[in-house]
Amino acid sequence: KAGVTQTPRYLIKTRGQQVTLSCSPISGHRSVSWYQQTPGQGLQFLFEYFSETQRNKGNFPGRFSGRQFSNSRSEMNVSTLELGDSALYLCASSPGLAPTDTQYFGPGTRLTVL
Amino acid sequence: EDQVTQSPEALRLQEGESSSLNCSYTVSGLRGLFWYRQDPGKGPEFLFTLYSAGEEKEKERLKATLTKKESFLHITAPKPEDSATYLCAVQPTSGGSYIPTFGRGTSLIVHP
Repeated sequence: KAGVTQTPRYLIKTRGQQVTLSCSPISGHRSVSWYQQTPGQGLQFLFEYFSETQRNKGNFPGRFSGRQFSNSRSEMNVSTLELGDSALYLCASSPGLAPTDTQYFGPGTRLTVL
Repeated sequence: EDQVTQSPEALRLQEGESSSLNCSYTVSGLRGLFWYRQDPGKGPEFLFTLYSAGEEKEKERLKATLTKKESFLHITAPKPEDSATYLCAVQPTSGGSYIPTFGRGTSLIVHP
C-alpha cells in the first residue's frame, strides 16, 4: 500500500509570495491533517479535512488555508508569505472514522521563505 | 487544556546502554496515546498506540508502557540506527476533535 505523498519536497519563496502544497493520502483514507513543524514550536496543527469539509482548525492566521478534493487529495495554501513561515509542512492521513485512528505522515515539504 | 510533556529533551547513549523516555500528559480523559519516531527532515513514523493503563506494546528494541499519568518508551540495547526524535501524542476523550496533541519530543543520539 502506497504511503502518504507530498509535493513538492522543497520550496524556496520570497516574502509576499504565495505557495500551494499538495498531499495525497493513503488509499481509502478520508481524513487529511496538516501540521507546521519548526525547531522552536514543534509540531503545530493547522487544519484537518474529512470528506471535503474542514472538520478541525488550529490557531493559525487566515493566510493559511486548505481544501480537499473528492479523491481525498488535499492542498494547503499560504498567501503573503512571511519569514516566519519557513518550516517543514507535514500532512497526515487517517481513515478519520474514530478519534484514535492512527495518523500516517508524509515526508513533508520544506518551505524556505527569503 | 490538554498538555503533553516529554523528557528529557535530549538524550545521548552509548550503543547497548538501555534507557527510557518519558511522556507525561494531562487530559480529562484518554482515548489513546501514540508514539512516533522522526528522522531528521522526514515525517514522523508511527510506532505504537496505547489505550489503557497497564497496556504494553513491543517492537524490536522498543517497548511502550502506559500509566494513568504517563507513558514510557523503553529502549533496550540501542543501536546507532535508533537515533531519532521520539514524539508522543495524546487523543483526549473530551470534545469531538480527531486531532491529537503532540509533545515536543525527545532527541535520542546513540553513539557506536
